[in-house]
Amino acid sequence: DVKVTQSSRYLVKRTGEKVFLECVQDMDHENMFWYRQDPGLGLRLIYFSYDVKMKEKGDIPEGYSVSREKKERFSLILESASTNQTSMYLCASTYPGNTEAFFGQGTRLTVV
Amino acid sequence: GENVEQHPSTLSVQEGDSAVIKCTYSDSASNYFPWYKQELGKGPQLIIDIRSNVGEKKDQRIAVTLNKTAKHFSLHITETQPEDSAVYFCAASMNRDDKIIFGKGTRLHILP
Repeated sequence: DVKVTQSSRYLVKRTGEKVFLECVQDMDHENMFWYRQDPGLGLRLIYFSYDVKMKEKGDIPEGYSVSREKKERFSLILESASTNQTSMYLCASTYPGNTEAFFGQGTRLTVV
Repeated sequence: GENVEQHPSTLSVQEGDSAVIKCTYSDSASNYFPWYKQELGKGPQLIIDIRSNVGEKKDQRIAVTLNKTAKHFSLHITETQPEDSAVYFCAASMNRDDKIIFGKGTRLHILP
């Protein structure tokens, strides 16, 4: 069974903290994505990666960075968390060539 | 970059009736159009997809149509059932970069 696993379901962090969200996939997918989901705004792409050590900015990269040191792992980093980064974060992975995206269950991050 | 618009944001239909959700995209280079269903507490899951060389695709009670000239595509669910209640997202992607851009979602309620 294919799996995308996000390290935490719920996370509460303080303003200014450095936050790491981890995502691991077991399907040997080249592409990995980070989205945030907010009511009324749908899924907005933060960053994606099409290979190890490669990354591309999505539509809302400000305040975020990413790391992909191994093919199976894609980390989202909030350098200095702010309250407007309170959201649901979803990780996804795909093979190249416009194929099905597999999502993790999401991490609900609250920044206080 | 690509922009995907989705309507309506909320849709209520009587059980057994049909539901239609419509999306438009902006970039004529997009050639892959998946639809995802998100149930409460879960990540989105692919339910059907269509590529730009096809005008219509059907899978049991679900069908998707694509009009490349008008740059719009639609999801049709017939004989709706309570388990169809969920949030549905359309998306667009292109071969150039595999980046998946989502619409804002439609919350579908199936009324008993």
